Amino acid sequence: DSGVTQTPKHLITATGQRVTLRCSPRSGDLSVYWYQQSLDQGLQFLIQYYNGEERAKGNILERFSAQQFPDLHSELNLSSLELGDSALYFCASSVVDEGTGELFFGEGSRLTVL
Amino acid sequence: DQQVKQNSPSLSVQEGRISILNCDYTNSMFDYFLWYKKYPAEGPTFLISISSIKDKNEDGRFTVFLNKSAKHLSLHIVPSQPGDSAVYFCAAKAEYGNKLVFGAGTILRVKS
Repeated sequence: DSGVTQTPKHLITATGQRVTLRCSPRSGDLSVYWYQQSLDQGLQFLIQYYNGEERAKGNILERFSAQQFPDLHSELNLSSLELGDSALYFCASSVVDEGTGELFFGEGSRLTVL
Repeated sequence: DQQVKQNSPSLSVQEGRISILNCDYTNSMFDYFLWYKKYPAEGPTFLISISSIKDKNEDGRFTVFLNKSAKHLSLHIVPSQPGDSAVYFCAAKAEYGNKLVFGAGTILRVKS
């Protein structure tokens, strides 16, 4: 158990819909990262927050947005969903925003868009 | 562009033998390289890392080798155990920040 909690674990929805994925980081971790893993691909970095502020942005679509709340949990909002958005979405956390790259990952949220 | 590549989608090894997983990268500005292990229905877990100023790091059965001139790293697992069967991701961290660039992963199967 990494200490990172993601909900929901599975989500099935239709094209055009909007979903929210939630992540609670490990206790004491200030930084939260979101990654997307499409079929047979590596994890693609989406966005990072540190103590409530956006710290780094990857190839995140404009239809996607995220935020980190004062209690340090984070939400990833995916809107106008397309079939290609079906993927595993991982949240990870770390204590700092600059380090050696050791992140603690949640179990992921599997999104299926039909 | 794929900055981190794992060219072998899968690898099968006999229990007790050595497993060697390979990874190539293109960006000279990476300062740390990491290996993560992933079991089905679980998130990736950190396994071992190496700083770009070193050429070897060892932790028990796991050793990572870095060849900067070839932009290549490898993970050696000796001896391999059935419990090592998982997907192994190579990842790299840029000099600033803490975000990681991942390879596509290699499925390791250790046969008993």
